[in-house]
Amino acid sequence: DVQLTQSPSSLPASVGDRVTITCRASQDIRSYLNWYKQKSGEAPDLLIAATPSLQSGVPSRFSGSGSGTDFTLTISSLQPDDSATYYCQQYQNYPWTFGLGTKVEVK
Amino acid sequence: QVQLQESGPGVVESSQTLSLTCIISGDSINSDVFYWSWIRQRPGEGLEWIGYVHYYGAPLYNPSLRGRPIISVDPSKTQFSLSLSSVTAADTAIYYCAREQQDLLTGSRAFNSWGRGTLVTVSS
Repeated sequence: DVQLTQSPSSLPASVGDRVTITCRASQDIRSYLNWYKQKSGEAPDLLIAATPSLQSGVPSRFSGSGSGTDFTLTISSLQPDDSATYYCQQYQNYPWTFGLGTKVEVK
Repeated sequence: QVQLQESGPGVVESSQTLSLTCIISGDSINSDVFYWSWIRQRPGEGLEWIGYVHYYGAPLYNPSLRGRPIISVDPSKTQFSLSLSSVTAADTAIYYCAREQQDLLTGSRAFNSWGRGTLVTVSS
C-alpha cells in the first residue's frame, strides 16, 4: 500500500498566518493526490483534486502543489473557519489511502 | 445536487454481519464516471477506504479487510449497500458512503460527495 505521511500532525496558528501542510508518499504517485477538509463532527469535504485543482466554491487562499512523492497544501491567510483536520489521499495505486491528518487550530 | 444518506443499525454484535445502505438522491447511479464507495473512520483516527462498486463493473475492496466486505448496488432503488462480516470491536467506526467521480479527460478521481456518516458500534 502507498503510505502517506502528513506533517505536522497538529498546527496551532493565528488568523492571517500562512500555513503549510506537507504530505509525503512512500512511492511515486505522480499528481494523483487529493486534499480534504474535515470539521469536527462532519464528513470530509473535497478541497483540491489531482493537485492542484481547486474545487468550485473553495476559497482561493487554499492551494496545492507537488508531484511524485512530495506535496503541500497551503492556506495563504488563515481564517477562523479553517479550523479543521486536513487529509491527503492518493489514487495512484489500490487500495486508495489517506494520510493520518493534520489538525489546524486557529488561535 | 447529489445527496447521500447512510442508514443501518447503530449497534452490531461481535462476530455478526454489519449491514448499511446508502440512499442516493439527485443523481443517477448508472453513470460510468461514478464509483460508489464506503469509507470508515475509527474513533479519533483517520480515514480508511473500504471499497467501491461501479454500476458497470465488479466491486473492488481494500485487501486489509480480508474478504469480509461486500458492496452491492440496487439501481431500482437508487441505493448501494455494504455488508461486513465477522465484525469485531476493531470495526467500530463512523461509516461514510461517498461518491467518487472520475474525470474522463484527465483520469483524475476524487470523493466529491459524502453522506453525513453513521456510527456503528460493535458490542461484545
